[in-house]
Amino acid sequence: GENVEQHPSTLSVQEGDSAVIKCTYSDSASNYFPWYKQELGKRPQLIIDIRSNVGEKKDQRIAVTLNKTAKHFSLHITETQPEDSAVYFCAASTEEYGNKLVFGAGTILRVKS
Amino acid sequence: DVKVTQSSRYLVKRTGEKVFLECVQDMDHENMFWYRQDPGLGLRLIYFSYDVKMKEKGDIPEGYSVSREKKERFSLILESASTNQTSMYLCASRINTGELFFGEGSRLTVL
Repeated sequence: GENVEQHPSTLSVQEGDSAVIKCTYSDSASNYFPWYKQELGKRPQLIIDIRSNVGEKKDQRIAVTLNKTAKHFSLHITETQPEDSAVYFCAASTEEYGNKLVFGAGTILRVKS
Repeated sequence: DVKVTQSSRYLVKRTGEKVFLECVQDMDHENMFWYRQDPGLGLRLIYFSYDVKMKEKGDIPEGYSVSREKKERFSLILESASTNQTSMYLCASRINTGELFFGEGSRLTVL
């Protein structure tokens, strides 16, 4: 089955710097890749997603890139702010609507002000 | 706003007890899910349901069962709780657009 590896497990950045989180997946048939953000004590929430027919997607300060050949995708956060501090999870699915999403282990992002 | 409500935020149970975790969503979503969240392991799918009375095993179904008698309600059952089932349990629902809407989570401790 699908396996998703996520790195790094923790990431500390200075406010205003950029942060990059990387994920690799094993199943070349995967075609849907969402990212979820979980603030401390709260539920995970979708922040951005990308499908396999797109190489990059951007939404304000966050962007996701996908390299299907190498089977990896990355989350980029620019101009980080303290409210970006959270756990970020990547996920992958082989089904168009992600019925069986497989999540990465998560990255704890700390933005120091 | 989509609302996914889990009946209990915190539970403490003893080994061997039967445990029910209930989840209700108010947006008429077809699909509902139960995940388990453990530090360093991310979110792992236990079971999901794509329709009333329909269910499919996820990646870690052993020791769990589910029930979906009504569209809005999806229950997770631990027939005989064990200490290795101490965890955070997250319910989620969605329509066929990809985004999962999660509940607040139920933190279960099995002594």
